[in-house]
Amino acid sequence: TQLLEQSPQFLSIQEGENLTVYCNSSSVFSSLQWYRQEPGEGPVLLVTVVTGGEVKKLKRLTFQFGDARKDSSLHITAAQPGDTGLYLCAGDSSGNTGKLIFGQGTTLQVKP
Amino acid sequence: KAGVTQTPRYLIKTRGQQVTLSCSPISGHRSVSWYQQTPGQGLQFLFEYFSETQRNKGNFPGRFSGRQFSNSRSEMNVSTLELGDSALYLCASSYMGSSYNEQFFGPGTRLTVL
Repeated sequence: TQLLEQSPQFLSIQEGENLTVYCNSSSVFSSLQWYRQEPGEGPVLLVTVVTGGEVKKLKRLTFQFGDARKDSSLHITAAQPGDTGLYLCAGDSSGNTGKLIFGQGTTLQVKP
Repeated sequence: KAGVTQTPRYLIKTRGQQVTLSCSPISGHRSVSWYQQTPGQGLQFLFEYFSETQRNKGNFPGRFSGRQFSNSRSEMNVSTLELGDSALYLCASSYMGSSYNEQFFGPGTRLTVL
C-alpha cells in the first residue's frame, strides 16, 4: 500500500514567519501535486512537480521534489493570513490512471 | 473555461437510503475520479472513469458505485447508506493528455447520513 506521510499536521504561526511542510513516502511517484483547500470547498491545485530535484516557485511558495521522487516539500516565506488553509500533497504512482494518493494534510493558521 | 461542477452541494439522508451524486468535468477532460474526504481518513480514492469505463477502484464496499456517460459526465451512487458514509464527496477531472496526471477538483457534495 502506497502511503504519503505529511508533516506537520497542524501549524499555527504569526504573520511574517516562514514555514515548511514535508511530504514523504517509501514509494516512487511519477509526479506529485500540492493542493490548498478551504473549508467546505474542493482542493485547488497549486503546482505539479514531475522531475526529481525539481524546484518550482509560486510567489512566496517554493515547492521541491526529491531527487528520488519519493518526497517533496512546500516552503512558504513571510506567511500571510490569506495563506491559511489545508495543504495537501498527492502523488501519482503511474502517471496515467486517474488515481492520486493523498497525504493527511497540513492545517495552517496564520495569525495577523 | 468552466471548472468542475458537482450537484447537489449538500444532502441529508437517513440510514438505509440511497443517494446519487453528479459531476460535470471540465470541457475536454475525459477522466473523472471520485474521492471521499473525512476528518479521520482524509482523502481516499473511490474510483476513476475514463471513456465510460471504470479504470481504477479503491478499497470501498460494493455499495459505492459509479458510471460515466458519453459526454464524460459522471455519477456516483451509494446504496444502503450508513452513518459512516457521512463525508465530503469530491469529484476531479483530468485531461489525461500529458505524461502526468493533474486533477482539478469540484467543490464537493457534503453528505450527511442521520
